[in-house]
Amino acid sequence: AQSVAQPEDQVNVAEGNPLTVKCTYSVSGNPYLFWYVQYPNRGLQFLLKYITGDNLVKGSYGFEAEFNKSQTSFHLKKPSALVSDSALYFCAVRDRGARYNFNKFYFGSGTKLNVKP
Amino acid sequence: GAGVSQSPSNKVTEKGKDVELRCDPISGHTALYWYRQRLGQGLEFLIYFQGNSAPDKSGLPSDRFSAERTGESVSTLTIQRTQQEDSAVYLCASSFGTSGRNEQFFGPGTRLTVL
Repeated sequence: AQSVAQPEDQVNVAEGNPLTVKCTYSVSGNPYLFWYVQYPNRGLQFLLKYITGDNLVKGSYGFEAEFNKSQTSFHLKKPSALVSDSALYFCAVRDRGARYNFNKFYFGSGTKLNVKP
Repeated sequence: GAGVSQSPSNKVTEKGKDVELRCDPISGHTALYWYRQRLGQGLEFLIYFQGNSAPDKSGLPSDRFSAERTGESVSTLTIQRTQQEDSAVYLCASSFGTSGRNEQFFGPGTRLTVL
């Protein structure tokens, strides 16, 4: 079964420090991987995606994520956190090899990032 | 429009009433998705449309939930005989084409409260 796990409900980090939000996945084939951010009372916004090629993907607002096939992970990172980065972050996966339901996204449960000044 | 829009933004209803939620996807987006997000929780997939067809309805919580899409555009999610556990934010998203590499664009959601 396809699944996405975000093992941390909450991540706390001080402004200026590096941050990591973890994501691991389980799909039957090779995945497309995505990160979205949700600010309070707002819809989800796309941050970045891994399709193919370089395992390190750069996205919006200085975020990046590293695809690690052997560990089936796609952790979100940022070298220097800002207070304005505080939000809810969702990892999502699609199985590119799925014969049916290839449009179906599987979302993680979300990780709340708190960046303190 | 520039993005995905949903209406109403907020809906308060009484238990047992029917509600209809609307989603206007980005023009040209062939795929459309509905999700439910309960307070403090992640996204629960409900249904998606490829064009006007819904290949996978397995995410709909019960037969009280139904959805349709017409003209490869607007979609409506209908909840009949609402229950208090239906209270949540209902999110709609759309994406371009049928390729799995395309990201989804989300609307602001409809916050449904069932009293």
